[in-house]
Amino acid sequence: GENVEQHPSTLSVQEGDSAVIKCTYSDSASNYFPWYKQELGKRPQLIIDIRSNVGEKKDQRIAVTLNKTAKHFSLHITETQPEDPAVYLCAAKANRDDKIIFGKGTRLHILP
Amino acid sequence: TAGITQAPTSQILAAGRSMTLRCTQDMRHNAMYWYRQDLGLGLRLIHYSNTAGTTGKGEVPDGYSVSRANTDDFPLTLASAVPSQTSVYFCASSDNGGNEQFFGPGTRLTVL
Repeated sequence: GENVEQHPSTLSVQEGDSAVIKCTYSDSASNYFPWYKQELGKRPQLIIDIRSNVGEKKDQRIAVTLNKTAKHFSLHITETQPEDPAVYLCAAKANRDDKIIFGKGTRLHILP
Repeated sequence: TAGITQAPTSQILAAGRSMTLRCTQDMRHNAMYWYRQDLGLGLRLIHYSNTAGTTGKGEVPDGYSVSRANTDDFPLTLASAVPSQTSVYFCASSDNGGNEQFFGPGTRLTVL
């Protein structure tokens, strides 16, 4: 079955700098890759997703890139701000079923 | 519209007792999921359901059972709770075509 690895587990960046979180997946049939943001004590919420027919997608300060050959995808947050601290979760899904498998998450800290 | 709800919000349970966590959605989503979230382990899929009447095993199904008698409800049952089932449990739903998952607020379960 699918296995999703996420790195790093913790990331600290200076406010205004960029943050990059990386995930790898094992199932070559996976074709949908969402990213969720989970603030402390809250439920996960989708921030961006990408499908396997595109290599990059942007939404304001966040972007996701996908390398199907290498089976990895990354989240890029530019110009980090005080509202960005959270746990960020990547996931992968294949069309053959509705299983969505998550990575272990990255806790992002923003330093003033 | 309530979206997706879970009950109870939190529960303390004696080991060996049974417990059903409730999950209801009013978005007419076909797919529903149960995850557990433990510190440092992200979201792990317990069971899922593609549509009413069908269920499937996730990554960590042992000790849990589910049923999907209708579209809206997806209860999770612990037949005989053990301390290792102490966790935060999230229910989620998605429209199969859209793939985005919507999460409930979570249930914090402590098994003593």
